[in-house]
Amino acid sequence: ILNVEQSPQSLHVQEGDSTNFTCSFPSSNFYALHWYRWETAKSPEALFVMTLNGDEKKKGRISATLNTKEGYSYLYIKGSQPEDSATYLCVLGGSNYKLTFGKGTLLTVNP
Amino acid sequence: DTEVTQTPKHLVMGMTNKKSLKCEQHMGHRAMYWYKQKAKKPPELMFVYSYEKLSINESVPSRFSPECPNSSLLNLHLHALQPEDSALYLCASSQGRGARNQPQHFGDGTRLSIL
Repeated sequence: ILNVEQSPQSLHVQEGDSTNFTCSFPSSNFYALHWYRWETAKSPEALFVMTLNGDEKKKGRISATLNTKEGYSYLYIKGSQPEDSATYLCVLGGSNYKLTFGKGTLLTVNP
Repeated sequence: DTEVTQTPKHLVMGMTNKKSLKCEQHMGHRAMYWYKQKAKKPPELMFVYSYEKLSINESVPSRFSPECPNSSLLNLHLHALQPEDSALYLCASSQGRGARNQPQHFGDGTRLSIL
């Protein structure tokens, strides 16, 4: 059973703050790492899929890095806005079609 | 707006009822998924269809019966459910066979309550 750990579980920041959270996973037999954003009452939205060690991806104010050798990924949000409030899910892509989900980091951005 | 459409959005049913959840996508994706999500927990995979064939059944009880009539549609037939089956049921789709490095597109889910 793969274990995907996310920290912190929840985070409160002020509008304009930059923030980051961590995802750790087993470094052996790595295939792919996904980040999803899940707002309350909406469907999870894919942010990034990363497959190579050292990958860095960016989408607007959000970026992510990947270290497959040590088994971690960071998600960064620059200048947080209230609309960034959501649960951010780290997901490991394994064999076949299976995705292993972390428990998520709940971000609340206060105006 | 999500590109994966799930109906109904909410469903309340008794333990003896038979009902179906429906999922539709028109992105040409050939892999479709059912997940179950309980409050404050991540989604749990139930079934995967690849090219309209069931490829993964995560030891789901037979009271849940999936069906993929064509490449755009995925159904989940429900019969004799238990109160512990109350949850959010999410449908997702992705391109081709290699979903581990393809993002999944999720529907908004069906909130199911079993009385």
